[in-house]
Amino acid sequence: AQSVAQPEDQVNVAEGNPLTVKCTYSVSGNPYLFWYVQYPNRGLQFLLKYITGDNLVKGSYGFEAEFNKSQTSFHLKKPSALVSDSALYFCAVRDGNTDKLIFGTGTRLQVFP
Amino acid sequence: KAGVTQTPRYLIKTRGQQVTLSCSPISGHRSVSWYQQTPGQGLQFLFEYFSETQRNKGNFPGRFSGRQFSNSRSEMNVSTLELGDSALYLCASSLVTSGVYEQYFGPGTRLTVT
Repeated sequence: AQSVAQPEDQVNVAEGNPLTVKCTYSVSGNPYLFWYVQYPNRGLQFLLKYITGDNLVKGSYGFEAEFNKSQTSFHLKKPSALVSDSALYFCAVRDGNTDKLIFGTGTRLQVFP
Repeated sequence: KAGVTQTPRYLIKTRGQQVTLSCSPISGHRSVSWYQQTPGQGLQFLFEYFSETQRNKGNFPGRFSGRQFSNSRSEMNVSTLELGDSALYLCASSLVTSGVYEQYFGPGTRLTVT
């Protein structure tokens, strides 16, 4: 069965420092991977996706993600965190059999001034 | 382009009642999916509609149902509400159903069951 895991419930980082939010996946076939962000009282906003090609994917708001096939990981990164990046981040994988989007449990990112 | 809209934004119901939530997708999007978000269970897939047909269904009881209209607008209905149905219900639309197309989410409907 397809699944994603976000091993950290919360990540704390100081403003200006690099941030990483971790995601690992388990799929059969080619993985279609996504990152979404959710701000308080809002729906999810699409950040970026990996389909094929370059392992480093660039997305919205300065975020990027690194796809690593051997480690089955798709970690979200940003070189310099902003306080406004504080939010809930979800990793997701598209189930190749059903086309359903399967979400991880979410990681709360807290950026301190 | 207008984004995905959901109405109402907030709703309070009592146990045993039923509720209908509405979702209008982005213009041109034909696929609409529904999710339930709770602190304990995270984001759980309810169902997906494409061209008025239910294409996928999650593991929810039959009290949860949905439909899609010819203009791609979708409704979901929950009958005989239980306290555990209190959640944020999110609707998402996409151009097509498969593979590489990302979903765009609405702001959600916050349902509170008392």
